[in-house]
Order: sequence, then structure tokens, then C-alpha cells
Amino acid sequence: EVQLVQSGAELKKPGESLKISCQASGYTFTSYWIGWVRQRPGKGLEWMGVIFPDDSDTTYSPPFGGHVIISVDKPINTAYLQWNSLKPSDAGIYYCARFSTPRVAWSPFDTWGQGTLVTVSS
Amino acid sequence: DIVMTQSPDSLAVSLGERATINCKSSQSVSYSSNTRNYVAWYQHKPGQPPKLLIYWASARRSGVPDRFSGSGSGTNFTLTITSLQPEDVAVYYCQQYYGSPPFTFGQGTQVQIK
Repeated sequence: EVQLVQSGAELKKPGESLKISCQASGYTFTSYWIGWVRQRPGKGLEWMGVIFPDDSDTTYSPPFGGHVIISVDKPINTAYLQWNSLKPSDAGIYYCARFSTPRVAWSPFDTWGQGTLVTVSS
Repeated sequence: DIVMTQSPDSLAVSLGERATINCKSSQSVSYSSNTRNYVAWYQHKPGQPPKLLIYWASARRSGVPDRFSGSGSGTNFTLTITSLQPEDVAVYYCQQYYGSPPFTFGQGTQVQIK
């Protein structure tokens, strides 16, 4: 069974750093693009960025580029989303999701992680 | 970036009746070379991750009830739920995956029971 399992909820203060994870199983991790999606409280889904685990080719949506870093650790089939300095506006639920077609970014997300709740408050 | 605009923002439909959600893209999300429309629809319920319903604008994912259907081409797309069921209460999003990232989502449409 294809699965993405994300790390648990986080409570952080503004200015702190954070790295959340997304561990894949049930498929060849290096063959499928993985993306990150944000949902702020009471708001819709926002496409943040994607990474191809095989070569770490990464693309960010403009609002997120320069503020978050997407990376992978291939030996443990895990993707990461990290911040060096959190802002209160970073609070929300973060989902990782797998693209449906091997080696192709032009495909929908067919498998999603359960989401990681990030709270940023002083 | 391509902007996806959904309408309405919310709708209330009686059980067993039809729900129709529209999605308009700011530019064509279709390639004439392959006639494919690079649009997906997702269902999102509280406390759960989004679920893929429709891809290539009209292809229903395996396991999705056939009361869900997608249509459209170019810049105008529609998700239709025939005979609305209680378990269909959710927010529905369209998404384009055409050209270069970002592959943007619509703002979402809340479907409720009247």
C-alpha cells in the first residue's frame, strides 16, 4: 500500500526553526515527485513546492521560495519541509503529497500524507 | 501563474439533487497536441487529507462513485455530483497541472446539505 506518513504536530515561537517530515512507503521513492501543500486556518489549499527525490530537483511557488526549504533523504524515503525562522503567518496544516505518474510532474496528487499541524505563537 | 477561480464559493443542495461546481482558469490548460486538459478535482473533508476524485478533467479515479463526474476543456471546467449524498459534504477544489509549476488550486467550494 502506498503511504505517506507525516511527523506530528508542532508548537513553535516566532523566529524558531522547524523541520517536518514525510516518510514514504509502498513504492519506489525516487521515481515520483513529491509536493507540499499548505492550508491556513479557515482557508484553502496552497501549492508550495515540489521535489524529485532522485536528483533533488526542486521548484517553489513564488510566495514560498526563499522562506522554506524542501529536501529529501533518499536512504530513509523521507521528504522534508523546513523553515529557518517561523512567522505567525506560517501557522497551518501542511500536507505532503505524491504525484500520480512516475517521473512526471504534470500529474495530479494521488496520495496524501495525513497532514502536520504547525502552530506559531509567542 | 495560472489562476483558478471556482464558483460558487458555497452551495447547499437537497439530498438526492445535483450539485454543480465551476472552475475557470486564467489561461488554457489544454495542449492541442494531445487534447488533454490538465485539471484535477479533489474532495476535502475536515480532519482528513484531500482526496483525488477526477483527473484529466473527466477521468474518474478508481473507487470514486460514479455520481461524481468532470467535464470541460480549455479554460472552463465543471464538477458535477448527481444525487448528492450525506457523505459528499466537503470542500471541493480544482487544480491545474499544466506547463510549469506552480500547479495552483482554486479557492474551494463548500458543499452542504439543504
